[in-house]
Amino acid sequence: NAGVTQTPKFQVLKTGQSMTLQCAQDMNHEYMSWYRQDPGMGLRLIHYSVGAGITDQGEVPNGYNVSRSTTEDFPLRLLSAAPSQTSVYFCASSRGQLGTGELFFGEGSRLTVL
Amino acid sequence: RKEVEQDPGPFNVPEGATVAFNCTYSNSASQSFFWYRQDCRKEPKLLMSVYSSGNEDGRFTAQLNRASQYISLLIRDSKLSDSATYLCVVHRMDSNYQLIWGAGTKLIIKP
Repeated sequence: NAGVTQTPKFQVLKTGQSMTLQCAQDMNHEYMSWYRQDPGMGLRLIHYSVGAGITDQGEVPNGYNVSRSTTEDFPLRLLSAAPSQTSVYFCASSRGQLGTGELFFGEGSRLTVL
Repeated sequence: RKEVEQDPGPFNVPEGATVAFNCTYSNSASQSFFWYRQDCRKEPKLLMSVYSSGNEDGRFTAQLNRASQYISLLIRDSKLSDSATYLCVVHRMDSNYQLIWGAGTKLIIKP
């Protein structure tokens, strides 16, 4: 049972570089999302998708792009990395309605921007 | 003021003790409530939902107080393996972001 798979687990970037965090789920979930987690703060939603071809911005979307061409994949692109984007990034998916509260998370990607 | 607030801790508790912590929320439109558990350097995992009538799952009891706008988590007979950060999560239907996360309460169980 793979669940939600994120890659890479660790990445160091220089300011201005771009990169893509990959996320794939094998549970046929319609809802997928990207969060960032910073010390002393709750998880903050970056972008989310309620199905293939549909994406929307979350609370902190600036500097990030997403696309959802398939149900399984939801990559997060950092366009021009900044030190403020140093964080732990989590991809998460859900069967559908968030009212159940159950999100399935990937193991996280630790990003450092120098 | 954060919409969902938790005491960051850490709560240092001897093994076998009972520990409880609260989470307050500020938006009365909040509809559903959850506790997640996050082990050090791991991903969050759903621990339990919080129902209006309160609910229990083994050693864990969750309660909701809508009048005072807080939820609580009580852990009885604590185990070393209960050491983790406990995240409070609120579901609001009137928010695009839908799930609002607290920053977490760190619990350390000592032998």
